[in-house]
Amino acid sequence: ETGVTQSPTHLIKTRGQQVTLRCSSQSGHNTVSWYQQALGQGPQFIFQYYREEENGRGNFPPRFSGLQFPNYSSELNVNALELDDSALYLCASSLSSSGPGVSPLHFGNGTRLTVT
Amino acid sequence: ILNVEQSPQSLHVQEGDSTNFTCSFPSSNFYALHWYRWETAKSPEALFVMTLNGDEKKKGRISATLNTKEGYSYLYIKGSQPEDSATYLCAPGMNRDDKIIFGKGTRLHILP
Repeated sequence: ETGVTQSPTHLIKTRGQQVTLRCSSQSGHNTVSWYQQALGQGPQFIFQYYREEENGRGNFPPRFSGLQFPNYSSELNVNALELDDSALYLCASSLSSSGPGVSPLHFGNGTRLTVT
Repeated sequence: ILNVEQSPQSLHVQEGDSTNFTCSFPSSNFYALHWYRWETAKSPEALFVMTLNGDEKKKGRISATLNTKEGYSYLYIKGSQPEDSATYLCAPGMNRDDKIIFGKGTRLHILP
Protein backbone atom coordinates (compact mmCIF):
# COMPACT_ATOMS: atom_id res chain seq x y z
CA GLU A 1 0.00 0.00 0.00
CA THR A 2 1.54 3.31 -1.10
CA GLY A 3 1.03 6.20 1.29
CA VAL A 4 0.40 9.85 0.52
CA THR A 5 3.34 11.57 -1.15
CA GLN A 6 3.81 15.28 -1.68
CA SER A 7 6.25 17.16 -3.86
CA PRO A 8 8.34 19.14 -3.57
CA THR A 9 9.29 18.92 0.10
CA HIS A 10 10.61 22.47 0.22
CA LEU A 11 10.16 25.45 -2.06
CA ILE A 12 11.26 29.07 -2.04
CA LYS A 13 9.36 31.56 -4.16
CA THR A 14 9.28 35.31 -4.57
CA ARG A 15 6.23 37.47 -3.82
CA GLY A 16 3.98 37.70 -6.90
CA GLN A 17 5.07 34.36 -8.36
CA GLN A 18 2.88 31.32 -8.85
CA VAL A 19 3.40 27.86 -7.35
CA THR A 20 2.04 24.35 -7.93
CA LEU A 21 2.17 21.73 -5.21
CA ARG A 22 1.49 18.09 -5.96
CA CYS A 23 -0.01 15.23 -4.01
CA SER A 24 -0.36 11.54 -4.79
CA SER A 25 -3.13 10.05 -2.72
CA GLN A 26 -2.98 6.70 -0.98
CA SER A 27 -3.90 3.80 -3.25
CA GLY A 28 -7.67 3.35 -3.40
CA HIS A 29 -8.53 6.73 -1.86
CA ASN A 30 -10.95 9.00 -3.74
CA THR A 31 -10.92 12.16 -1.63
CA VAL A 32 -8.11 14.69 -1.23
CA SER A 33 -8.05 17.60 1.20
CA TRP A 34 -5.50 20.40 1.35
CA TYR A 35 -4.52 22.22 4.51
CA GLN A 36 -2.27 25.19 5.28
CA GLN A 37 -0.42 25.11 8.57
CA ALA A 38 1.14 28.37 9.70
CA LEU A 39 3.35 28.63 12.77
CA GLY A 40 1.38 28.22 16.00
CA GLN A 41 -1.85 27.29 14.24
CA GLY A 42 -3.68 24.10 13.55
CA PRO A 43 -4.02 23.01 9.93
CA GLN A 44 -6.41 25.40 8.14
CA PHE A 45 -8.73 23.81 5.60
CA ILE A 46 -8.19 25.11 2.05
CA PHE A 47 -10.43 22.82 -0.02
CA GLN A 48 -11.38 19.24 -0.66
CA TYR A 49 -11.83 17.22 -3.83
CA TYR A 50 -14.08 14.19 -4.06
CA ARG A 51 -14.13 12.21 -7.30
CA GLU A 52 -12.52 15.12 -9.20
CA GLU A 53 -15.01 17.75 -8.03
CA GLU A 54 -14.43 20.45 -5.42
CA ASN A 55 -16.43 19.45 -2.36
CA GLY A 56 -16.05 22.27 0.13
CA ARG A 57 -13.76 25.24 0.48
CA GLY A 58 -12.33 27.07 3.46
CA ASN A 59 -11.78 30.78 3.90
CA PHE A 60 -9.08 31.18 1.25
CA PRO A 61 -9.10 33.64 -1.67
CA PRO A 62 -9.66 32.51 -5.29
CA ARG A 63 -5.94 32.68 -6.03
CA PHE A 64 -5.82 29.33 -4.23
CA SER A 65 -7.11 26.77 -6.71
CA GLY A 66 -6.90 23.04 -7.14
CA LEU A 67 -7.44 20.04 -9.31
CA GLN A 68 -8.01 16.36 -8.81
CA PHE A 69 -7.10 13.96 -11.60
CA PRO A 70 -8.77 10.69 -12.65
CA ASN A 71 -6.14 8.75 -10.67
CA TYR A 72 -7.17 10.87 -7.63
CA SER A 73 -3.84 12.67 -7.38
CA SER A 74 -4.18 16.39 -6.84
CA GLU A 75 -2.57 19.78 -7.32
CA LEU A 76 -2.77 22.95 -5.30
CA ASN A 77 -2.02 26.14 -7.24
CA VAL A 78 -1.39 29.49 -5.64
CA ASN A 79 -1.18 32.61 -7.78
CA ALA A 80 0.24 36.02 -6.90
CA LEU A 81 2.08 34.71 -3.86
CA GLU A 82 2.11 36.85 -0.73
CA LEU A 83 4.51 36.74 2.20
CA ASP A 84 1.71 35.35 4.42
CA ASP A 85 1.44 32.31 2.15
CA SER A 86 4.65 31.02 3.74
CA ALA A 87 3.53 27.86 5.54
CA LEU A 88 3.51 24.08 5.54
CA TYR A 89 0.97 22.75 3.04
CA LEU A 90 -0.46 19.37 3.90
CA CYS A 91 -2.34 17.04 1.62
CA ALA A 92 -4.53 14.31 3.06
CA SER A 93 -6.39 11.53 1.28
CA SER A 94 -9.26 9.40 2.47
CA LEU A 95 -11.69 6.81 1.23
CA SER A 96 -15.24 8.04 1.27
CA SER A 97 -17.46 5.43 -0.28
CA SER A 98 -20.59 7.43 0.38
CA GLY A 99 -19.32 10.93 1.05
CA PRO A 100 -16.53 12.44 3.11
CA GLY A 101 -16.56 13.22 6.82
CA VAL A 102 -16.12 9.90 8.59
CA SER A 103 -13.08 8.31 7.00
CA PRO A 104 -9.76 9.09 8.73
CA LEU A 105 -7.39 11.35 6.82
CA HIS A 106 -4.02 9.99 5.71
CA PHE A 107 -1.51 12.79 5.49
CA GLY A 108 1.59 13.36 3.44
CA ASN A 109 4.71 14.91 4.95
CA GLY A 110 3.85 18.31 3.53
CA THR A 111 5.50 20.94 1.37
CA ARG A 112 7.25 23.78 3.17
CA LEU A 113 6.71 26.95 1.12
CA THR A 114 8.72 30.06 1.84
CA VAL A 115 7.76 33.30 0.10
CA THR A 116 10.37 36.07 0.16
CA ILE B 1 -16.83 29.83 11.01
CA LEU B 2 -16.53 26.66 13.08
CA ASN B 3 -14.90 27.32 16.47
CA VAL B 4 -12.81 24.40 17.73
CA GLU B 5 -11.07 24.89 21.06
CA GLN B 6 -8.39 22.63 22.45
CA SER B 7 -7.02 22.95 25.95
CA PRO B 8 -4.50 23.21 27.29
CA GLN B 9 -2.32 24.55 24.47
CA SER B 10 0.75 22.94 25.99
CA LEU B 11 1.31 20.35 28.67
CA HIS B 12 4.38 18.92 30.43
CA VAL B 13 3.88 15.51 32.00
CA GLN B 14 6.28 13.31 33.92
CA GLU B 15 7.00 9.93 32.32
CA GLY B 16 4.69 7.34 33.82
CA ASP B 17 1.97 9.82 34.76
CA SER B 18 -1.44 9.82 33.12
CA THR B 19 -2.92 12.88 31.48
CA ASN B 20 -5.91 14.13 29.54
CA PHE B 21 -6.91 17.10 27.43
CA THR B 22 -10.04 18.55 25.90
CA CYS B 23 -11.55 19.41 22.55
CA SER B 24 -14.67 21.64 22.44
CA PHE B 25 -16.79 22.18 19.35
CA PRO B 26 -20.31 23.42 18.46
CA SER B 27 -22.82 20.68 19.23
CA SER B 28 -25.28 21.54 16.45
CA ASN B 29 -24.99 19.69 13.12
CA PHE B 30 -22.24 17.45 14.50
CA TYR B 31 -21.31 14.48 12.37
CA ALA B 32 -17.89 13.09 13.36
CA LEU B 33 -14.93 13.88 15.60
CA HIS B 34 -11.38 12.99 14.58
CA TRP B 35 -8.27 12.84 16.77
CA TYR B 36 -4.77 12.93 15.27
CA ARG B 37 -1.27 12.66 16.71
CA TRP B 38 1.44 14.75 15.06
CA GLU B 39 5.00 13.93 15.98
CA THR B 40 7.83 16.26 15.02
CA ALA B 41 9.20 15.63 11.51
CA LYS B 42 6.37 13.24 10.72
CA SER B 43 2.91 13.60 9.21
CA PRO B 44 -0.27 13.66 11.33
CA GLU B 45 -1.52 10.17 12.13
CA ALA B 46 -5.17 9.29 12.73
CA LEU B 47 -5.95 7.98 16.22
CA PHE B 48 -9.73 7.85 16.33
CA VAL B 49 -12.86 8.80 14.43
CA MET B 50 -15.97 8.92 16.61
CA THR B 51 -19.55 9.62 15.62
CA LEU B 52 -21.93 8.56 18.39
CA ASN B 53 -22.71 10.38 21.62
CA GLY B 54 -21.12 8.43 24.46
CA ASP B 55 -18.63 6.77 22.12
CA GLU B 56 -15.45 5.59 23.77
CA LYS B 57 -12.48 4.38 21.75
CA LYS B 58 -9.17 2.89 22.85
CA LYS B 59 -5.83 2.27 21.18
CA GLY B 60 -3.23 0.87 23.54
CA ARG B 61 -2.70 3.40 26.35
CA ILE B 62 -4.68 6.11 24.56
CA SER B 63 -8.45 6.45 24.80
CA ALA B 64 -11.04 9.05 23.88
CA THR B 65 -14.61 9.86 24.83
CA LEU B 66 -17.24 11.89 23.03
CA ASN B 67 -20.16 14.01 24.21
CA THR B 68 -22.01 15.37 21.19
CA LYS B 69 -24.84 16.97 23.19
CA GLU B 70 -22.51 19.35 25.01
CA GLY B 71 -19.85 19.44 22.29
CA TYR B 72 -16.67 18.06 23.81
CA SER B 73 -14.26 15.17 23.61
CA TYR B 74 -11.53 14.08 26.00
CA LEU B 75 -8.32 12.31 25.06
CA TYR B 76 -6.65 10.28 27.81
CA ILE B 77 -3.12 8.90 27.90
CA LYS B 78 -2.33 6.37 30.60
CA GLY B 79 1.24 5.92 31.84
CA SER B 80 2.85 8.49 29.51
CA GLN B 81 5.96 7.40 27.62
CA PRO B 82 8.55 9.54 25.77
CA GLU B 83 7.09 8.44 22.43
CA ASP B 84 3.80 10.10 23.40
CA SER B 85 5.45 13.52 22.98
CA ALA B 86 3.56 15.08 20.07
CA THR B 87 0.87 17.58 19.17
CA TYR B 88 -2.62 16.12 19.49
CA LEU B 89 -5.17 17.60 17.10
CA CYS B 90 -8.90 17.23 17.21
CA ALA B 91 -11.05 17.88 14.16
CA PRO B 92 -14.86 17.83 14.08
CA GLY B 93 -16.88 17.44 10.94
CA MET B 94 -20.20 19.24 11.21
CA ASN B 95 -22.22 17.49 8.54
CA ARG B 96 -21.66 14.53 6.30
CA ASP B 97 -20.27 16.37 3.32
CA ASP B 98 -18.55 19.21 5.11
CA LYS B 99 -14.88 19.76 5.61
CA ILE B 100 -13.07 18.58 8.72
CA ILE B 101 -11.82 21.57 10.74
CA PHE B 102 -8.79 21.28 13.01
CA GLY B 103 -8.20 22.87 16.39
CA LYS B 104 -4.80 24.40 17.18
CA GLY B 105 -3.77 21.28 19.06
CA THR B 106 -2.40 20.38 22.49
CA ARG B 107 1.37 20.08 22.52
CA LEU B 108 2.36 17.31 24.94
CA HIS B 109 5.91 17.05 26.32
CA ILE B 110 6.85 13.96 28.31
CA LEU B 111 9.59 14.63 30.84
CA PRO B 112 12.02 11.77 31.61
